[in-house]
Formats: sequence, structure tokens, C-alpha cells
Amino acid sequence: DSGVTQTPKHLITATGQRVTLRCSPRSGDLSVYWYQQSLDQGLQFLIQYYNGEERAKGNILERFSAQQFPDLHSELNLSSLELGDSALYFCASSPLLAGFTDTQYFGPGTRLTVL
Amino acid sequence: EDKVVQSPLSLVVHEGDTVTLNCSYEVTNFRSLLWYKQEKKAPTFLFMLTSSGIEKKSGRLSSILDKKELFSILNITATQTGDSAIYLCAVEHSGYALNFGKGTSLLVTP
Repeated sequence: DSGVTQTPKHLITATGQRVTLRCSPRSGDLSVYWYQQSLDQGLQFLIQYYNGEERAKGNILERFSAQQFPDLHSELNLSSLELGDSALYFCASSPLLAGFTDTQYFGPGTRLTVL
Repeated sequence: EDKVVQSPLSLVVHEGDTVTLNCSYEVTNFRSLLWYKQEKKAPTFLFMLTSSGIEKKSGRLSSILDKKELFSILNITATQTGDSAIYLCAVEHSGYALNFGKGTSLLVTP
């Protein structure tokens, strides 16, 4: 158990809908990262927050947004969902700001299925 | 275009064999290369490499980076069935972006 929690575990929804995925980092970790893993694209980095502020942006679509709250939990919002958004979404946390050179601890993931 | 290519895509070996997994990259402003192991669920961190020629070692796993030739290898000696997993290589580069390879699927048979 990495200490990173994600809810929900599974989510099934229809095209065009909007969902929110939630992540609680390990106690004391200030950085939160979001990743998407699909069969065709592999694992992709989406976005990083550090202490409430956006730090780095990867291949995140305009339809997706994220934020990190004062209690350091983070939410990833996915809107106007398409079939291709079906994937496993991971959250990871690390203590420091230092980009990806710090060890990241991954949560168990949220599996999103868009029908 | 930044890219990370892993080979082979898939590998089946017998317990006790030694395997070498490859990761080559083409990115702008390389910062670091990371190796992860992914079993059924989330990836777990193995190594982070930033300097050429310095081997990182953890038990039967070791990794080395060649920044001149733009590749890294991950070696696993005396493989065990518990080493069966997908091994992911990721490269951190300019703008703190992180690109992953598609992974190498390793199956170790008894």
C-alpha cells in the first residue's frame, strides 16, 4: 500500500458526461501527479500540482482539468467524455517539488469506462 | 517529436535466466530517465538515472544510462517468477514533461 488513495475504483458513464476523480496523496507529500493509461497510448503524464499550484503539464486535453486543494487532495475533472477516454487514471504523490526526480508513489488507479 | 522506445515489446524466459531490457530516447533537454515495474496495478519506482555511465543497483536489478548514445538498459539477473511484470521506461525532459515508452512485458516461467 503506497499511502495514496483514489476514489472511485471504477466508474462507468456515457459519452458526453462529466466525471470527477479524486486523489489523496501520502501524508506530507506536496506534489500530486495525474497519469492516464490506455491500451493504445500506454502510460501518459497529464499534469502535476505542487502545494496547490500547477507545476507541469503533459498531454492533458482541453476537456480535462485538475486542481489541488488546500488540504492537498486533488481532483481530475473530465468533461464531454468520449469513448477514447476509457482508461486507467493514476494519481501519484511525492514529497518534493523536484520534478520527476523524486520517487513517486502511485495510487491504485480509477478505471473509467465510457459507453 | 519527443519519443521513448522500449525493446523488446515482450519477453518470455525461464527462471534463473538473465534479461536485458532496452530503452532509447529522443527528447529535448533531457533531465532524467526513470524505470518502473508494473504488475497488476500501479507502477512502482525502480531507478532514476541522470548521469551517464553510473550503474544503479538494487538486488538483482541494475540499470545504466548512456547519454551519448541516448539509451538505457535494465538488467535482471537470476530471474524469478515474481519478476514477471511490465517494465516501463520514462524520460523527463524540457518543461518537466515526462514521456513513457510502451513498456516491455516480461514473463518468467518456472
